[in-house]
Amino acid sequence: GAVVSQHPSRVICKSGTSVKIECRSLDFQATTMFWYRQFPKQSLMLMATSNEGSKATYEQGVEKDKFLINHASLTLSTLTVTSAHPEDSSFYICSAPTGGIFTGEQYFGPGTRLTVT
Amino acid sequence: RKEVEQDPGPFNVPEGATVAFNCTYSNSASQSFFWYRQDCRKEPKLLMSVYSSGNEDGRFTAQLNRASQYISLLIRDSKLSDSATYLCVVKYGGATNKLIFGTGTLLAVQP
Repeated sequence: GAVVSQHPSRVICKSGTSVKIECRSLDFQATTMFWYRQFPKQSLMLMATSNEGSKATYEQGVEKDKFLINHASLTLSTLTVTSAHPEDSSFYICSAPTGGIFTGEQYFGPGTRLTVT
Repeated sequence: RKEVEQDPGPFNVPEGATVAFNCTYSNSASQSFFWYRQDCRKEPKLLMSVYSSGNEDGRFTAQLNRASQYISLLIRDSKLSDSATYLCVVKYGGATNKLIFGTGTLLAVQP
């Protein structure tokens, strides 16, 4: 079964509004989670690394004031898209490392499809 | 130049065919390598890790050539259910678990 959940799975919002996406690790603790964005027919692009109890680390070109990340507990990270615009419409996916011996393996959430009208 | 490059395809093959995907990476400090599978509008799922000695999992064989910075995936006896996008994924060294994804190769297995 799924070990990383995301909510909502799909959201449609109006331009200028904010949207919060939740990512939960269901049966393990995740001090680190990752947020990706995927545009149609493109690969996953890492947006930021979410760190429990500290500030997120953003990738180059990602606006930290627009994409607010909060990792308040060991099982929950949230991504808030503030003042959304149509160009923010995308598939947002979170992931958490499994912590296994083959570091780099990650469990991915089912994704959130955001449409900004 | 992209950090991880793949032929986007699509690869259209008949059932039972053998198909091979290639991937190159630019950062010689890359430490770990993976193939993920992504179905349409779904999240990626780990298919297999790639080891220096090469490794096999059923119909799937992965190879790594560090000198050439090249990774491959071979699928034998293709099934309809193998139709998906195959993502080449690289992890750099160090403490971070940050993964770098290729753009993916689309495979369509035809009946």
